Amino acid sequence: KAGVTQTPRYLIKTRGQQVTLSCSPISGHRSVSWYQQTPGQGLQFLFEYFSETQRNKGNFPGRFSGRQFSNSRSEMNVSTLELGDSALYLCASSSAAGTGREKLFFGSGTQLSVL
Amino acid sequence: QQQVKQSPQSLIVQKGGISIINCAYENTAFDYFPWYQQFPGKGPALLIAIRPDVSEKKEGRFTISFNKSAKQFSLHIMDSQPGDSATYFCAAGGYGQNFVFGPGTRLSVLP
Repeated sequence: KAGVTQTPRYLIKTRGQQVTLSCSPISGHRSVSWYQQTPGQGLQFLFEYFSETQRNKGNFPGRFSGRQFSNSRSEMNVSTLELGDSALYLCASSSAAGTGREKLFFGSGTQLSVL
Repeated sequence: QQQVKQSPQSLIVQKGGISIINCAYENTAFDYFPWYQQFPGKGPALLIAIRPDVSEKKEGRFTISFNKSAKQFSLHIMDSQPGDSATYFCAAGGYGQNFVFGPGTRLSVLP
């Protein structure tokens, strides 16, 4: 079974631009979560989608948004990029959602650099 | 109340030694505590997890110790190997809640 695939692997953008990141979950997984990883901050939860519906959203500004398609693939969009948005963005998929005991399968992430 | 604290931030251990990473939580609604291991250039991968109805769980060289009254849990890596060099994240989850991750511990095992 193929793992979680995130594209692109690296992105370089300038302040004010917008960016879209893509995540393909493991086949059969209907839950996709997004995390922002920065040194010293660990993994900060952005949002979770299950069957095309946003279940939960973390404490991030409205510039961060996402969606999930009928095939469970998910995209994350960041508008009006700021320098502080530079981070590794991780996507995780799981077969279930809401139990608090799901095994998360992470992709290798998209490294975003904002100049 | 949603925070998970983790220490130390970094750890250097000799090959064959014991690595110990500690975590603490505040939200008593958490009832599932996984540890994730992340190698450079890769996403985190589940290593081992524990539920609060047991005080210890062992899988090979990896052991989680759990203290429910103190709201603390720790990861012990016995006979640490250079291949264990990675960043380790503790996390906490509960029904209807998102996972909350600690800030991570960078472990270096010297040959």
